[in-house]
Amino acid sequence: DTAVSQTPKYLVTQMGNDKSIKCEQNLGHDTMYWYKQDSKKFLKIMFSYNNKELIINETVPNRFSPKSPDKAHLNLHINSLELGDSAVYFCASRPTGAYGYTFGSGTRLTVV
Amino acid sequence: AQTVTQSQPEMSVQEAETVTLSCTYDTSESNYYLFWYKQPPSRQMILVIRQEAYKQQNATENRFSVNFQKAAKSFSLKISDSQLGDTAMYFCAFMKLTGGGNKLTFGTGTQLKVEL
Repeated sequence: DTAVSQTPKYLVTQMGNDKSIKCEQNLGHDTMYWYKQDSKKFLKIMFSYNNKELIINETVPNRFSPKSPDKAHLNLHINSLELGDSAVYFCASRPTGAYGYTFGSGTRLTVV
Repeated sequence: AQTVTQSQPEMSVQEAETVTLSCTYDTSESNYYLFWYKQPPSRQMILVIRQEAYKQQNATENRFSVNFQKAAKSFSLKISDSQLGDTAMYFCAFMKLTGGGNKLTFGTGTQLKVEL
């Protein structure tokens, strides 16, 4: 059983399209995150939800919109995709009171 | 804001040797966690070791150990008896414990290659 699963693992799309990446965790964790890893492998936080409530919203273009229908799911929708959005997007989760993350395997988004 | 610096973009080590990866950080927080994550070519982010700032004892996990110098804001990772499977990108990360949503602030990474 995969603890944090992301779909799709790979996504190739054209500029201007709208796409979504889904994340699900079966660990019972309360907090979920989206991180972006750019072409130089630098990782940066984008968003975090705690029990469906948005708690972190870093400086991210408003074309990016996270949605958490329940505490086990955190999806990322991206409108009007640009070349610069090409990256690997990681979902992660963390239980309340503990500080270790469990990461998903990442989604490689390529915008052409 | 916190910053994490990894000054070694690439390192190589012979199999069975020992290697140390450097990490320094800047923060005004007194209570925080530090982590080392490994990212092999499979892309998976794997937790290697973590250190709680209020603990003076350095963390160890099998062949992996840290040298945590709180006053110097230094957190280096030592890998003993290096194995081919240790080849990966290694990221140092900082987490403050009050406010901030427990986000991780990452360094730029060190690509480690273990050679025969």
